[in-house]
Amino acid sequence: TQLLEQSPQFLSIQEGENLTVYCNSSSVFSSLQWYRQEPGEGPVLLVTVVTGGEVKKLKRLTFQFGDARKDSSLHITAAQPGDTGLYLCAGSRSNDYKLSFGAGTTVTVRA
Amino acid sequence: DVKVTQSSRYLVKRTGEKVFLECVQDMDHENMFWYRQDPGLGLRLIYFSYDVKMKEKGDIPEGYSVSREKKERFSLILESASTNQTSMYLCASSRYRGTTNEKLFFGSGTQLSVL
Repeated sequence: TQLLEQSPQFLSIQEGENLTVYCNSSSVFSSLQWYRQEPGEGPVLLVTVVTGGEVKKLKRLTFQFGDARKDSSLHITAAQPGDTGLYLCAGSRSNDYKLSFGAGTTVTVRA
Repeated sequence: DVKVTQSSRYLVKRTGEKVFLECVQDMDHENMFWYRQDPGLGLRLIYFSYDVKMKEKGDIPEGYSVSREKKERFSLILESASTNQTSMYLCASSRYRGTTNEKLFFGSGTQLSVL
């Protein structure tokens, strides 16, 4: 059983559309990170959120950490083909500084 | 920028062989990690190290061992490779020991096939 559940597993959309990826858990996390992985490469960190209710924006990407620090979402506005990739959430609990990863959401943006 | 280099991009080994996966980071990071990545399962932590000659088990250490003789180098060893160890192996590093929101820097991965 995954500590972090991501949904959906796959997402295919047309360029210009919006999308949201979810990351949920029954555990409380001291911080949550989002990574993007492109084919043939390792994951690259996009953002870290640490405060319940926190919202961070990175150009067209908006990240939110749930008030109870058990869930997070990633919203992409006006998606572009360059947004294609595997999006992974990863959480760290206060008593354990190892990161636990979700299974990932594969996003495909069609031109 | 930090560089994490994994020695092989692809490896093909036979069942029962001893396999070494090497990882080197160039930014004096204290922590190093080995993950395996399988479709639908995400990244699962095998072992990590927060100092030279120190190692700790992750979530799936069975069938693996590690070595960290120098700060910049972290090796993953499959003592007797089995087909269920066919996977993508990712090495990562982070700066400081014991913090909960450290950024991980990943290598490009080694795709290991055990026949």
